[in-house]
Amino acid sequence: EEQLVETGGGLIHPGGSLRLSCAVSGFSVRRNFLTWVRQAPGKGLEWVSLIFAGGDTHYTDSVKGRFTVSRDISKNTVFLQMNSLRAEDSAVYFCAKGIVGATSEPTYYFDQWGQGTLVTVSP
Amino acid sequence: SYVLTQPPSVSVAPGQTARITCGGHNIGSKGVHWYHQRPGQAPVLVVYDDEDRPSGIPDRFSGSNSGDTATLTLSRVEAGDEADYYCQVWDSSSDQWVFGGGTKLTVL
Repeated sequence: EEQLVETGGGLIHPGGSLRLSCAVSGFSVRRNFLTWVRQAPGKGLEWVSLIFAGGDTHYTDSVKGRFTVSRDISKNTVFLQMNSLRAEDSAVYFCAKGIVGATSEPTYYFDQWGQGTLVTVSP
Repeated sequence: SYVLTQPPSVSVAPGQTARITCGGHNIGSKGVHWYHQRPGQAPVLVVYDDEDRPSGIPDRFSGSNSGDTATLTLSRVEAGDEADYYCQVWDSSSDQWVFGGGTKLTVL
C-alpha cells in the first residue's frame, strides 16, 4: 500500500524557517516524482513545488528563492525547506505522488496524497 | 500564467446529474485531472487524463474536455458526493502545475 506521511509543521514567526518532511512507503522516491501542494485556511489548492525522479525541481513563482525541495533516497523521504516565511505561507501542506499522464499532450497528475501538515506563520 | 476557472458552487438534488466546469484557454489541448476533497481530508483523484477513472471510483463519475472547457459529470448524485472539486492541468509553457479555484458541490 502506498502511503505518504507529512511532518514538520508548526507555528513559526515571520522570517523564520521550517523544514517539512514527507515519508513515503510502498513506492520509491528514487523512481517517482513528488509534489507539495498547499491549502490556506478556507481556500483552494495551490501547487508549490515538485521534484522529478531525475532530481529536477520546479517551484511556483511566489516561493522561488525561499523554498527548496529535496529528497533522501536512503530514507525514502522528500523535504521542503521553507525560509523567509510570510503570513501568506500559512496553510496545510500536502505531499503527493505524481504520475505521468497518457494524453496526446504531456501531462502529470497526483494519485496518492498524504494527510497534510499545518504551517502557521504568525508574530 | 495559465488560469483555470471553476464556478464557486453547484447544487443538485439527489439522483440528478451535476456538471462542474473548468475553463481555460484551449484547455482541450491539455490533459485535465479532477480531485474531490471532503472537509478536513486530503484530496482524492477521481478522474485523470480527461476521462479516465482510478480504480475504486464509481462509473457515475465521468469527464470530458474540448475547446476552452473541461467538464466533470456526476450522475445519480448521492449525499456522499458533497465535497469540493478541483480541476488540474500542467502548463507546459510555464512548467507549472495549476489548480482551478474549486467548486463546492452541495446535494440538496
